[in-house]
Formats: sequence, structure tokens, C-alpha cells
Amino acid sequence: TQLLEQSPQFLSIQEGENLTVYCNSSSVFSSLQWYRQEPGEGPVLLVTVVTGGEVKKLKRLTFQFGDARKDSSLHITAAQPGDTGLYLCAGEDNTGNQFYFGTGTSLTVIP
Amino acid sequence: SQTIHQWPATLVQPVGSPLSLECTVEGTSNPNLYWYRQAAGRGLQLLFYSVGIGQISSEVPQNLSASRPQDRQFILSSKKLLLSDSGFYLCAWSPGPISPLHFGNGTRLTVT
Repeated sequence: TQLLEQSPQFLSIQEGENLTVYCNSSSVFSSLQWYRQEPGEGPVLLVTVVTGGEVKKLKRLTFQFGDARKDSSLHITAAQPGDTGLYLCAGEDNTGNQFYFGTGTSLTVIP
Repeated sequence: SQTIHQWPATLVQPVGSPLSLECTVEGTSNPNLYWYRQAAGRGLQLLFYSVGIGQISSEVPQNLSASRPQDRQFILSSKKLLLSDSGFYLCAWSPGPISPLHFGNGTRLTVT
């Protein structure tokens, strides 16, 4: 089993603040995905990054894949209450058949 | 469009009872299928995945088993539930490599 550690585990910030979530592993992944999950629902994909060093932007969210494809970060600018949720990174192994999820970051944005 | 159905949404079962959770996918063929378990507010633990009918790979030794009797049907079972089997179970499918996972809405299992 490949481990992905996310930090921080919990984050509570005021509306309008910026934040960064980190996803780290000692394993190399073919791709890395970020998901957001609401309570009682399944995770929903935010982005997939494939190339080492890749940066993708999705409105106020910026995702980066590490050069060695072992780590990733998610940066949110001017957080809003609607950003509240559990953020999960997931690494895809080289077979393309297995996805290993990070430990999760629970974000609360206070109005 | 593709859809995934998972049921039941919630389940309360006594220790020692059997379990059967079902997941079906519509609108695609030969998907990769997955069962994950999630502790409250935490990451997902991969339990089983399948790349085809009758092909099951297990990630974690436990008293759970999985079967894929049809192309788009994935079943999670247990003969005798343990207290430690309580959790949020999620089924997911993927069309293949470098493709995202699409999740069902999950089953909240409480073993009493």
C-alpha cells in the first residue's frame, strides 16, 4: 500500500483568506488527482495532474504536481464558505488500475 | 451519460450477521470497479478493485470479499460482520488509466 500524507489535517479560516494543502508521498505516481467531498456523499473530482511540474488552475484553485511526481499542492485564493469540505488527493499507480488516497484535509471557511 | 448506483444508503447490522452491498454502473462497458472504506473525515482505504468479470484484487486482508458477477455489477460481502467493519463504504468506477474515479453516494454501515 502506498501512503499519501496530507497536511494540515484540519483547517479553519476566515472568508477571503488564502490557504495551501499539501499531499506528500515517497512513491512515484502516474497521475495525481484532487477530490472534494461533502458529508454523506462520494468524492467529486476537481483536477487530474499528469506531468511532473505541471500547474493547473481552476478559478480560485491552483494545483501543482511535484517535479518528481511524488507530491502535490492545492492552493485556494480568497476562500469562500462554499469551499468548505474534505479535500482528498489520490495517486494512481503505474498499472493505471489502483488509486491510493491521502489522509484528507477538512477545510472550514467561516463567513 | 454514465451513472453509478449504490445501495442501501444506510445499514445497521448486528455482529455476526452477513453483509451484501451492491453497486451497478450504467452507460459504460468494461469499467474498472472499486470498493473503498472511509473512516469519519479521513481518507479512503482501497479494499477491492476489478478490471473485468470475475477478476478481483484485494488490497487488505479482512473478513470482507467482493464479486463481479456481471460487467457492471460489483458486490461487497461478508459472512460474519465484526464491530470494526463499521464505516462508510464507497463504490467507484473508472474507464481506465489516467481517468478519474466516479463515486456512488456511499453506504453508511453500523455494526452493533
